[in-house]
Amino acid sequence: ILNVEQSPQSLHVQEGDSTNFTCSFPSSNFYALHWYRWETAKSPEALFVMTLNGDEKKKGRISATLNTKEGYSYLYIKGSQPEDSATYLCAFEKDNQGGKLIFGQGTELSVKP
Amino acid sequence: EAQVTQNPRYLITVTGKKLTVTCSQNMNHEYMSWYRQDPGLGLRQIYYSMNVEVTDKGDVPEGYKVSRKEKRNFPLILESPSPNQTSLYFCASSPWTDGSSPLHFGNGTRLTVT
Repeated sequence: ILNVEQSPQSLHVQEGDSTNFTCSFPSSNFYALHWYRWETAKSPEALFVMTLNGDEKKKGRISATLNTKEGYSYLYIKGSQPEDSATYLCAFEKDNQGGKLIFGQGTELSVKP
Repeated sequence: EAQVTQNPRYLITVTGKKLTVTCSQNMNHEYMSWYRQDPGLGLRQIYYSMNVEVTDKGDVPEGYKVSRKEKRNFPLILESPSPNQTSLYFCASSPWTDGSSPLHFGNGTRLTVT
């Protein structure tokens, strides 16, 4: 079974802090890396899908980078706000297993006002 | 409104009583999938379907069945539920045009098996 690891498991920051977390995945046979945001009592929502080594994607104050050669992706949040409080999930797609997504356990972010 | 609809949202049942959780999407997506979420384990894939009449096992298919007779529907069937299937279940769909499209998730079904 492929292993996708996210760190840290949880993070508590103050409003206005910038923060980042990591998703590690197998570096061989990479196809795509997904990031999702999951608020309590809601369903996960897609943030980014990244496919190319060196990809950088941005959505408002949230951005992500991808290193497929070493098998990691970083998610950054600039100037965290209380509404950013959520669990952030990454998911790895391997190229010869079309349709199979392996999710990490998530990083739970709590932003205090 | 584009959406993935799961029913029911909450279900409490007893061991051995067959149940079906329905999932329907109105976006004409080819790909649909079921996941379960358990504390500390992340989302784990149960079954997925790349198109009508095409289904494949995910990582935790034991005790579940699915069918894909129409593009929009992908029901999850538990023939004989057991307490270890108590979990939060999500259905998701995607256009899967090039294998790297994001998933659209339903609102989840919280199942308790006693």
